[in-house]
Amino acid sequence: GDSVTQMEGPVTLSEEAFLTINCTYTATGYPSLFWYVQYPGEGLQLLLKATKADDKGSNKGFEATYRKETTSFHLEKGSVQVSDSAVYFCALDYGAGSYQLTFGKGTKLSVIP
Amino acid sequence: DAGITQSPRHKVTETGTPVTLRCHQTENHRYMYWYRQDPGHGLRLIHYSYGVKDTDKGEVSDGYSVSRSKTEDFLLTLESATSSQTSVYFCAISRIASGAVNEQFFGPGTRLTVL
Repeated sequence: GDSVTQMEGPVTLSEEAFLTINCTYTATGYPSLFWYVQYPGEGLQLLLKATKADDKGSNKGFEATYRKETTSFHLEKGSVQVSDSAVYFCALDYGAGSYQLTFGKGTKLSVIP
Repeated sequence: DAGITQSPRHKVTETGTPVTLRCHQTENHRYMYWYRQDPGHGLRLIHYSYGVKDTDKGEVSDGYSVSRSKTEDFLLTLESATSSQTSVYFCAISRIASGAVNEQFFGPGTRLTVL
């Protein structure tokens, strides 16, 4: 079945460092792909999305490009801030009217001053 | 903000007792979901609903039941709570964006501890 694999965490970076969180997927067809962010004590928030190959989703300085040839959707940010400390989840939409998302296990990011 | 509230936000209960968690939405969305979040497992779908009185099982439905008698409310019941059900429970709704993209929006969560 469809699945999402994220890099294991936790990831610790210094402020202003470059961030990459890897996400690869296995799916039949052409799923939509998402990144969600969860700040401490809160629910998940949609960060960005891409719905077809070569689409780039972006929001709040984060970017991810839908790479069909490598089945990847890596999250990047050029300069992280302490406020970016959170857990990040990659997810895919089965599509075809299933209305269900498949989530990766999450990657915890800690940014230190 | 998709207008999702969950109650209670925190609950401690004893093994063997029934527990009901409530999810309330204000935007009349058709699809609603219950997930549990545990370290090392990410989010796992328990049950979901695609309309009033229309529900289906997710990945980890054993020990849980749901009901949806009104569009705005989706209830999750643990018939007889066990320690393995200690978790953080999230409710979500599905908002269909342009291109039929399924965007899910989450409530703030309920932290349940079963002693």
